[in-house]
Amino acid sequence: DAKTTQPNSMESNEEEPVHLPCNHSTISGTDYIHWYRQLPSQGPEYVIHGLTSNVNNRMASLAIAEDRKSSTLILHRATLRDAAVYYCILRENTGGFKTIFGAGTRLFVKA
Amino acid sequence: EPEVTQTPSHQVTQMGQEVILRCVPISNHLYFYWYRQILGQKVEFLVSFYNNEISEKSEIFDDQFSVERPDGSNFTLKIRSTKLEDSAMYFCASSDRDSSYNSPLHFGNGTRLTVT
Repeated sequence: DAKTTQPNSMESNEEEPVHLPCNHSTISGTDYIHWYRQLPSQGPEYVIHGLTSNVNNRMASLAIAEDRKSSTLILHRATLRDAAVYYCILRENTGGFKTIFGAGTRLFVKA
Repeated sequence: EPEVTQTPSHQVTQMGQEVILRCVPISNHLYFYWYRQILGQKVEFLVSFYNNEISEKSEIFDDQFSVERPDGSNFTLKIRSTKLEDSAMYFCASSDRDSSYNSPLHFGNGTRLTVT
C-alpha cells in the first residue's frame, strides 16, 4: 500500500464541521482511498472510501483532489462520540488481502 | 447490523503458555484477518485467510502463530508459546470480498492479551 501523510492530531468544537486532511502524493491510478476510525477501546471502523469522485454516506463525506494527491474527510457536525483516531489508507485495486494502517490523526472534540 | 465478535475480551496468560483467541466473523464473509495493536502503537497486520488457507502474512506472523477455521463460523488465532512482547490487543476482521473489490473490513472489538 502506498504511503499517506496525516497530521498527528486535530481539535474541533462540538457541532462544528471537521476537515481531516490526508496527503498521498505517490498514489497510483488504481489506488482507492479508504478511511477508517478507531474509537477508544474499540476496533477500527470503516468510514468511507472513494477513487476519483467525492463520496457521501451517513457517516461522512470524502473530498478527493482533482490530481488525487490529497483527500479530505469531512465530518459535517462533530459530536463528542467522533473523538477517535482517523486513518487514511490507500488500497491497491490489484488484489491482495491486507490493509496497512498508519499512525492516523487523533481528533479531539471539545464540548 | 451484523458484527464480528471476539472472545474472550481479556486473556491473561503466563509466558510460555499457549493461547487461542476466538472470533466469529460476519456469516456471509469469506475473507478473514488478524491484526494486533500494542498499547499506544499502530494497528499492525498479522495474517489474512481465504478458502481455508493463509493468503498473506506479515513478518510478525512467525512459527509461533497459527490460524484456523475449525468450523463454518469460528476463526481462531493460536500463539504456541507466548512471550511478554505478545501482550497487545488482537483484532479479528472479515470482509465479503478481497481488496481487489475494495470491500471494507469489519473489525471486532478485540481481545486484550496480557502475558505475565
